[in-house]
Amino acid sequence: EPEVTQTPSHQVTQMGQEVILRCVPISNHLYFYWYRQILGQKVEFLVSFYNNEISEKSEIFDDQFSVERPDGSNFTLKIRSTKLEDSAMYFCASSGLPDRGGTNYGYTFGSGTRLTVV
Amino acid sequence: AQTVTQSQPEMSVQEAETVTLSCTYDTSENNYYLFWYKQPPSRQMILVIRQEAYKQQNATENRFSVNFQKAAKSFSLKISDSQLGDTAMYFCAFMKLSPSLVFGKGTRLSVIA
Repeated sequence: EPEVTQTPSHQVTQMGQEVILRCVPISNHLYFYWYRQILGQKVEFLVSFYNNEISEKSEIFDDQFSVERPDGSNFTLKIRSTKLEDSAMYFCASSGLPDRGGTNYGYTFGSGTRLTVV
Repeated sequence: AQTVTQSQPEMSVQEAETVTLSCTYDTSENNYYLFWYKQPPSRQMILVIRQEAYKQQNATENRFSVNFQKAAKSFSLKISDSQLGDTAMYFCAFMKLSPSLVFGKGTRLSVIA
């Protein structure tokens, strides 16, 4: 079964440093997403990406965040200057186009990257 | 803005018994999708079941079924014949046609042998 792959599984970084979280979405999917889950809290939407541009973003996704699809397979989340409160699990997800035809467009999550800012 | 409410922070069930997790949501949309995701200790997000709002028939997936009440904006998950491997956090999620998911705060389910 196709998977969304995230690397690394765990990253520790110094406050103020830049980090790049990497994801390989499912190959025939068209929408890509990043979500965040602070320990013990609910999963929160950060950003969606479609047709090589951001299609939607939340209030959390401020100027310190950016996303990129540098080639045909990778999708990255960059945090420019990490803060302690950025410590969280970051999930990448991908999907096809939502439709009303009843087909499973397969909104699939990766296993997550645990980011620890110290 | 859409909101999703899971009013049961924790629940427990005996192995082989049935348990129902509740979820309500608030939206003015008519067309949307609802999901239940399972998050085991590994913290991976695993899709359990999904429901399209335009479908009146409740979705089922093996031991998992939903009771979707559109007028009441209710979307509960029933787990039959509970197994130890069902122990996890369960998140209810809502999606309108712009495909970001809005999650509830989750219900921690413990299956007891």
